[in-house]
Amino acid sequence: GNSVTQMEGPVTLSEEAFLTINCTYTATGYPSLFWYVQYPGEGLQLLLKATKADDKGSNKGFEATYRKETTSFHLEKGSVQVSDSAVYFCALSEGGSEKLVFGKGTKLTVNP
Amino acid sequence: DAGVTQSPTHLIKTRGQHVTLRCSPISGHKSVSWYQQVLGQGPQFIFQYYEKEERGRGNFPDRFSARQFPNYSSELNVNALLLGDSALYLCASSLASLNYGYTFGSGTRLTVV
Repeated sequence: GNSVTQMEGPVTLSEEAFLTINCTYTATGYPSLFWYVQYPGEGLQLLLKATKADDKGSNKGFEATYRKETTSFHLEKGSVQVSDSAVYFCALSEGGSEKLVFGKGTKLTVNP
Repeated sequence: DAGVTQSPTHLIKTRGQHVTLRCSPISGHKSVSWYQQVLGQGPQFIFQYYEKEERGRGNFPDRFSARQFPNYSSELNVNALLLGDSALYLCASSLASLNYGYTFGSGTRLTVV
């Protein structure tokens, strides 16, 4: 079945450090890929998405590129802020399905 | 505009009891999905409804059921509660489909004792 594997956390960085959170997927078709963020006590928010190979999703300084050859969708940010502290989830959906399949999440803590 | 609202925010139930969780989607959104998020895990898909019809079901036992009302609000029902049902239950709404993006509510924290 379809699955998403994320790097295990927690990840702790200093402000202005570079961030990478790895995400790889297994899917039988051509999925759409997503990153969601969950701040403490809140629901999930869509951070960015990509719907086909080589697409780059970007939002709020975060980027991720859909790499079909390596089945990956790694999340990057050049300079993190304390306000980026949250749990980040990688997810996929296969064409025609409304179901999102999530990874286990990676907790990011950014210290001033 | 109000976001996706879920009620109650927290509740505690005893094993074997029944629970009903409620979700009000964003105004104009016709699709509602339910997810279960166990502590330390990613959300797991339970149901999706569109225009009051079930459009998708995850790998959950028949103790889980849901419905969508004419105003597009939704209920998730769980019968014969087990300790393992303790989780955060998330509702998400969309205009019509995943292509339009899902907006998630803050969830209902269910504890079964």
